[in-house]
Amino acid sequence: QKEVEQNSGPLSVPEGAIASLNCTYSDRGSQSFFWYRQYSGKSPELIMFIYSNGDKEDGRFTAQLNKASQYVSLLIRDSQPSDSATYLCAVSGAGSYQLTFGKGTKLSVIP
Amino acid sequence: DAGVTQSPTHLIKTRGQQVTLRCSPKSGHDTVSWYQQALGQGPQFIFQYYEEEERQRGNFPDRFSGHQFPNYSSELNVNALLLGDSALYLCASSLGVGEQFFGPGTRLTVL
Repeated sequence: QKEVEQNSGPLSVPEGAIASLNCTYSDRGSQSFFWYRQYSGKSPELIMFIYSNGDKEDGRFTAQLNKASQYVSLLIRDSQPSDSATYLCAVSGAGSYQLTFGKGTKLSVIP
Repeated sequence: DAGVTQSPTHLIKTRGQQVTLRCSPKSGHDTVSWYQQALGQGPQFIFQYYEEEERQRGNFPDRFSGHQFPNYSSELNVNALLLGDSALYLCASSLGVGEQFFGPGTRLTVL
């Protein structure tokens, strides 16, 4: 069974710091990796996706992928209180259209 | 550019009843996926529709069924409701196998 693991947190960081969110996955055939942000009571919002090993930067967000270690991470630089949310890691594999999600990591940015 | 829309926003049903949830995809998207999100969990894949056919199905019983219309909108039907079906039901749309974007969700409560 394909699994995606995340530390449930909560992860607390001071405003302006770097928040580091981690995710591991069990299926070596996984090809696409996504980070969604979900505010309490709202639906998930896509913030980053990465398909190749290495880093991908978009504004304050950097996604990192290491397929050999089956590990994907999200860095949030200059964290703001508005970044406080649950971050969901999602993975899809070759020949599969579904996203498999982790349980999410709750991030709290302290002013 | 309209995003993914879902109706209704909230729904209360009793055990044994049937429910229909509706989804309109983002403009330009042709694929609709449905997910169930229980409290404190990541979304779980129910099924995906493309070209009016169910393309892939997750580990959900036959009580869960769906349909996609020629305009790409979709319905999720759940029969013989159980208390455990209480959850946030999320619709996500994509262009083919591209990135999936979620609608606001339908909160279903089964009493």
